Amino acid sequence: DARVTQTPRHKVTEMGQEVTMRCQPILGHNTVFWYRQTMMQGLELLAYFRNRAPLDDSGMPKDRFSAEMPDATLATLKIQPSEPRDSAVYFCASGRGDVSSYEQYFGPGTRLTVT
Amino acid sequence: SQKIEQNSEALNIQEGKTATLTCNYTNYSPAYLQWYRQDPGRGPVFLLLIRENEKEKRKERLKVTFDTTLKQSLFHITASQPADSATYLCALDPGGYQKVTFGTGTKLQVIP
Repeated sequence: DARVTQTPRHKVTEMGQEVTMRCQPILGHNTVFWYRQTMMQGLELLAYFRNRAPLDDSGMPKDRFSAEMPDATLATLKIQPSEPRDSAVYFCASGRGDVSSYEQYFGPGTRLTVT
Repeated sequence: SQKIEQNSEALNIQEGKTATLTCNYTNYSPAYLQWYRQDPGRGPVFLLLIRENEKEKRKERLKVTFDTTLKQSLFHITASQPADSATYLCALDPGGYQKVTFGTGTKLQVIP
């Protein structure tokens, strides 16, 4: 049963520290998304990639967030320096990105707490 | 500005009844509309996708309608069960490029 995996599942860090979250998309999926979910804002798209190229990162605070896909099996989201307002659940999702199949498959999320 | 609205209040219904959830949008012309289910502590799970030229889509006990004139989608669960209790999210994709915007979700509670 193919799944999106994310590590770590939980992260507690102090303000100012660097945080790196990792995602392994489903094999064969060419589109990878990063979302952030909070009670106040709901689920927000931060960035997404197709065939490892960034398509849109307009939802991401550029000064502290960065997203990359070093290879087809790994996507990373970095926050440096982290701030308490970054506390949220971060989801990675992947999809096929073709007209016959637009659904997204979400990972279990990384719950980030910045103190 | 673009807005997606789902019932912000939780919806409580009796087991066996039909649950109907609403997704209204403004200032969008979505090519696709999707519905997802999210359980506490988990990522959303895809349920159904409906295209702008489709009026209705069904899958087992689920039915989605899409009215682009009213700018509304309705999501129905027939013969609801306690296991259907979850938060349901609608997501709009204006261009068909998968850059979706999610609504805030409606929490459904099915009472035995």
